[in-house]
Parts: sequence; C-alpha cells; structure tokens
Amino acid sequence: DTGVSQDPRHKITKRGQNVTFRCDPISEHNRLYWYRQTLGQGPEFLTYFQNEAQLEKSRLLSDRFSAERPKGSFSTLEIQRTEQGDSAMYLCASSLVRTGSGANVLTFGAGSRLTVL
Amino acid sequence: DQQVKQNSPSLSVQEGRISILNCDYTNSMFDYFLWYKKYPAEGPTFLISISSIKDKNEDGRFTVFLNKSAKHLSLHIVPSQPGDSAVYFCAASGRGGTSYGKLTFGQGTILTVHP
Repeated sequence: DTGVSQDPRHKITKRGQNVTFRCDPISEHNRLYWYRQTLGQGPEFLTYFQNEAQLEKSRLLSDRFSAERPKGSFSTLEIQRTEQGDSAMYLCASSLVRTGSGANVLTFGAGSRLTVL
Repeated sequence: DQQVKQNSPSLSVQEGRISILNCDYTNSMFDYFLWYKKYPAEGPTFLISISSIKDKNEDGRFTVFLNKSAKHLSLHIVPSQPGDSAVYFCAASGRGGTSYGKLTFGQGTILTVHP
C-alpha cells in the first residue's frame, strides 16, 4: 500500500465551475476524513466517513459541497459553483479506529490544491 | 474561535541544539494531543502523541510535554537536525464518539534548523 492518494494534485478553475476531487485511502482503514487548509492556517475539519456512512459535517461545508464514499472505499469531494473563497488545499486522510485504542492517528494524502480564478 | 493556538509562526535553531515548539488550547474536553510535521508539497505526517492522562511522552529525539492545568503542550526536539526543518502542527481531539479522531489543528510553526 502506498498510502493515501489524492487526485488531481492541482486544479485551476473559473468561478462558477464545478470541481471534483478523489481520495483513495489506505485499504484497511475504516475512517476517511476531508480537511481544508488555507495559507498560513492549519488544516480545518470538513467531514468524515466511517466505512460508507458520512457521520459528521462541519459548518464550513456549505450546501455547495458534497462528499461521498460509495462502498466504503474511495471518496469524492465535489464543489459546485466554485467561488474564489474556495481556493485552498483540500486534504484527505484515513485511519483505522479500534474500540479502546489510543489517539486516532490520521494518515494524510499530499492534498489537492484548488485555485479559483 | 481558535481552540488550538501556536503563537510562534517561526523558530530558527542551530543544528545540534534543542528546538522547543509550543501550543496552547482552550477546550478542556480535549483528550489526545498530536504533533504533525509537514514538508512542502506533502501532506502532514504524524510525529508523536500524548494522552491527557500523561504529562510526558518520548520517542527518540522527540518529547512532548503536557501541562493540563495550564492547557499547554510543547514539543522538544534534541538534538535538532537540518532535516527537521518543516512546518509543525499541534492538534487535539476529544475522546469517544464523533469527536474521536476529529482533529483541531493550530496554525503551525515553521522550524528552520541551520547547519
């Protein structure tokens, strides 16, 4: 396993267009997370899945954002009608959560950088 | 509302000396604290963690100290090496339920280790 893969690595789009990012997590991991990172800030939580179920969404995730994880494998994050404020690095992470285990260590992908013109 | 804060945007250290990175938090419900390191064009990578029931955790050159009463933690790197130059993020999470694994990150500290 080569870790968490994200595609594309860079996306430049015009305001109003739709974009979709894909994340392939580590295969044995049962949780998948999406975070967003803007310049000079740490990653901010957007949403996460336990297997195929989306368990929580941040208030940062407006109605223009939708995430899916069909069959509990890869995940997609779609942004509709992009705005300049959506420009950021979108990070995917995965983890294996076991009952009674310690800190939940997330393994991050390299991210998908979005630039909205 | 910045629940995890890293007040030093950057730190410069000489090779072989100690690097001390600091982090403060406000949410008393946080139960686990983690440090991540990030190189340019890569995602953050896990470095070390500590549970709230401990005050120290050590892994090789890296030691994390937790002061719960002060809501403060620090990462010590000794001796520092040029390859340690990166952005360091402090992160925290709660225990159990949906808060478990949902990390709240600080803004990051850029560490530069000079040869």
